[in-house]
Amino acid sequence: DAGVIQSPRHEVTEMGQEVTLRCKPISGHDYLFWYRQTMMRGLELLIYFNNNVPIDDSGMPEDRFSAKMPNASFSTLKIQPSEPRDSAVYFCASSPGTSATNEKLFFGSGTQLSVL
Amino acid sequence: KNQVEQSPQSLIILEGKNCTLQCNYTVSPFSNLRWYKQDTGRGPVSLTIMTFSENTKSNGRYTATLDADTKQSSLHITASQLSDSASYICVVSSLSTDKLIFGTGTRLQVFP
Repeated sequence: DAGVIQSPRHEVTEMGQEVTLRCKPISGHDYLFWYRQTMMRGLELLIYFNNNVPIDDSGMPEDRFSAKMPNASFSTLKIQPSEPRDSAVYFCASSPGTSATNEKLFFGSGTQLSVL
Repeated sequence: KNQVEQSPQSLIILEGKNCTLQCNYTVSPFSNLRWYKQDTGRGPVSLTIMTFSENTKSNGRYTATLDADTKQSSLHITASQLSDSASYICVVSSLSTDKLIFGTGTRLQVFP
């Protein structure tokens, strides 16, 4: 298996533009997570899905952020409009189970987002 | 408040030496404690997962310990290699929220 695949690896955009990050989870994993990592705050959970259904989006910072999972093999995280403070590394991760089940969480390589 | 704190923030050692990274947490009740290794420019990779009842778990040269009474964990790296240079992140699973609480990591640099 190729692991969790994210695209693009790097994204540079101007403030106010729409940004779409993409993720393909590991086949067979029922859970998909979107995280954001910054130097100051470390890794923060934004939202997670179970069987393509959003379960908890309490970590989504503002209405400017939205995420979808139209099928088991694809998810997007969209920021519209983007702001400089959104600059961070965004990780997608997938797992066969929730964190309480002791299942491993597999991360993608991340998307480095820079909003100018 | 559920928190995970790691120390030191950064560490420099010479190749071949051992080192120990610390993790203190306040998450309660917790389901499991994990250690991840994150290379620069990559996503975190799982090293170990320990449940409440486990005291130690090894993965090659990496050995994690857990003291659930004092809410402390450590990650010991034996005979360090240049490839061990990375950030090491301690993560605790909250049983009440079913979410992972991440520490901010220890940045380890191994020099020849």
